[in-house]
Amino acid sequence: SQQGEEDPQALSIQEGENATMNCSYKTSINNLQWYRQNSGRGLVHLILIRSNEREKHSGRLRVTLDTSKKSSSLLITASRAADTASYFCATAPSGTYKYIFGTGTRLKVLA
Amino acid sequence: DAGVIQSPRHEVTEMGQEVTLRCKLISGHNSLFWYRQTMMRGLELLIYFNNNVPIDDSGMPEDRFSAKMPNASFSTLKIQPSEPRDSAVYFCASSPQGALIDYGYTFGSGTRLTVV
Repeated sequence: SQQGEEDPQALSIQEGENATMNCSYKTSINNLQWYRQNSGRGLVHLILIRSNEREKHSGRLRVTLDTSKKSSSLLITASRAADTASYFCATAPSGTYKYIFGTGTRLKVLA
Repeated sequence: DAGVIQSPRHEVTEMGQEVTLRCKLISGHNSLFWYRQTMMRGLELLIYFNNNVPIDDSGMPEDRFSAKMPNASFSTLKIQPSEPRDSAVYFCASSPQGALIDYGYTFGSGTRLTVV
């Protein structure tokens, strides 16, 4: 079964708008990671947030983590057409490095 | 740094044939993960190694699948005999740390396997 699930499954926005996608997971974790996958390519690591962190920024990315709700969100500000991709969260139960990926959010940014 | 290198990029084979997928890790990375991606099941973790030792192979679907890591920089995933339901994109990923990973994975570009 999936450790994480993203919501929404698909998202379409205009260039310049912000995109928010959410991830829910099932067990206690050491950290949560977000990845991007362009069509036909491998996954690219975007950002990692540890379980004792609540918010983290990297460029136009902002990630939040709520361990009490077992959820995370990824915000992409001022989106660009090049941000069009699928976005996945990945978590592993505490004490393991068996990272399981969620089902992904397909983001389409319209120019 | 050339990144994680997978070969071949595409493989088309007939049902019943043996298929071998290859992965070269980034120098200095000591954890290796094999994933399979399909539309129906998403990304599935098949097996992972730490310091050349298989740690968890519970995701390997059947005995037809086997993975090895003969040295610190190279791994193979073998399917014998292959079946049409094995058609998927297979990714390997590596990481510089084994326990309590604080780094993201570096993924290869994947091998698209089609079994006809």
